[in-house]
Amino acid sequence: EEKLVESGGGFIQPGGSLRLSCAASGFSVGSHFMIWVRQGPGKGLETVSVIYIGGRRDYADSVKGRFALLRDSSNNTLHLQMNSLRVEDTAVYYCARAKHISFYGVEGLDVWGQGTTVTVSS
Amino acid sequence: DIVMTQSPLSLAVIPGESASISCRSSQSLLHTNGNNYLDWYLQKPRQSPQLLIYLGSNRASGVPDRFNGSGSGTDFTLTITRVEADDVGVYYCMQGIKTPALTFGGGTKVEIK
Repeated sequence: EEKLVESGGGFIQPGGSLRLSCAASGFSVGSHFMIWVRQGPGKGLETVSVIYIGGRRDYADSVKGRFALLRDSSNNTLHLQMNSLRVEDTAVYYCARAKHISFYGVEGLDVWGQGTTVTVSS
Repeated sequence: DIVMTQSPLSLAVIPGESASISCRSSQSLLHTNGNNYLDWYLQKPRQSPQLLIYLGSNRASGVPDRFNGSGSGTDFTLTITRVEADDVGVYYCMQGIKTPALTFGGGTKVEIK
């Protein structure tokens, strides 16, 4: 079974740091376009960060310079290092896998984790 | 970024009847290869989103044929026929043509009457 399991969420004060993890099983994270998506309380879905098969990473403007996506191929795990956290970063964070990516675009996010909750508050 | 706009915000459906959700994009999602890079997801209560439809009209593995995606370019529709109680949740569209800035619609909440 292809599965993603997130961990590492918690309660943190503004300015603090957290490291989220996304452990994959049944497939290799290095063979897929992978994405972190977050959902604020009562809100919709927002792309946070992505990593391409070749290793290139990109970030939403709202987290650029504060978040870093790392891929640990030996442990088949993604990590999202979140620094200088703000109240507005409060959300459930999901990692997900693209079914397929080509030069033309992404074809569906077909495997999602259960999410991990990050609460930033003083 | 490509802006995705869904309507309605919510709808209540009688079991057995049909429901339609609209999704419009601020830019065309039709690529030169003939594919529309538009997905539909369902987030059931207290669950993660799950893929229903990819490339505008292709059902994901295990998705019942009651779910149908249609449209091209900037206008898309998800139609659910013979709605069941298990179909409740929030439906999202997402564009996959402009990476890395994959963007989602605001969601449509489907409830049972």
